[in-house]
Amino acid sequence: ETGVTQSPTHLIKTRGQQVTLRCSSQSGHNTVSWYQQALGQGPQFIFQYYREEENGRGNFPPRFSGLQFPNYSSELNVNALELDDSALYLCASSFRQGSYEQYFGPGTRLTVT
Amino acid sequence: GENVEQHPSTLSVQEGDSAVIKCTYSDSASNYFPWYKQELGKRPQLIIDIRSNVGEKKDQRIAVTLNKTAKHFSLHITETQPEDSAVYFCAASFTMDTGRRALTFGSGTRLQVQP
Repeated sequence: ETGVTQSPTHLIKTRGQQVTLRCSSQSGHNTVSWYQQALGQGPQFIFQYYREEENGRGNFPPRFSGLQFPNYSSELNVNALELDDSALYLCASSFRQGSYEQYFGPGTRLTVT
Repeated sequence: GENVEQHPSTLSVQEGDSAVIKCTYSDSASNYFPWYKQELGKRPQLIIDIRSNVGEKKDQRIAVTLNKTAKHFSLHITETQPEDSAVYFCAASFTMDTGRRALTFGSGTRLQVQP
């Protein structure tokens, strides 16, 4: 079992609201990636953080933003929620930037009504 | 960007039989190919991975093969057991505009092992 944790476990929001999801990386892991997993689909890459800076981004609009803190924990913020944002949000940590292996947290299930 | 196709979407086998899941990728620069197992309501777990400098890797009942020329890779599970039932995802690395690497995932295969 990996040491990546996420909070909250579940969340229900209304369309147009804003949400913040949190991730604590496995000890010693300094790179974190966020993924969106819609029901029945594979995880889709949102963005990656290393040393508190965004490393790269997938095909997601600017209303998806993030932060990484000095202790390597991370946040995913989504503004102006849409119904299609309903999904499982996963963070994955890596030992160092450029490391191949990624280890996932348990995810946050977001429901937008 | 990278595109990963995975098939079949569902696979049902009898306990003890073998299961094979196949993926193709589009980016010839991809050099890392992990496989994840996701049980219902749980996180994806890395079960095996392969890098582009090898063609095959085994770990007990699980093996992965890679054909870089054809840009496809496969997961092989032998002597399947009911606890192998889960959704399996393949993934391939890609390089972002920043020069950093991330993963593109396939759409998943739901494996059902019938006792």
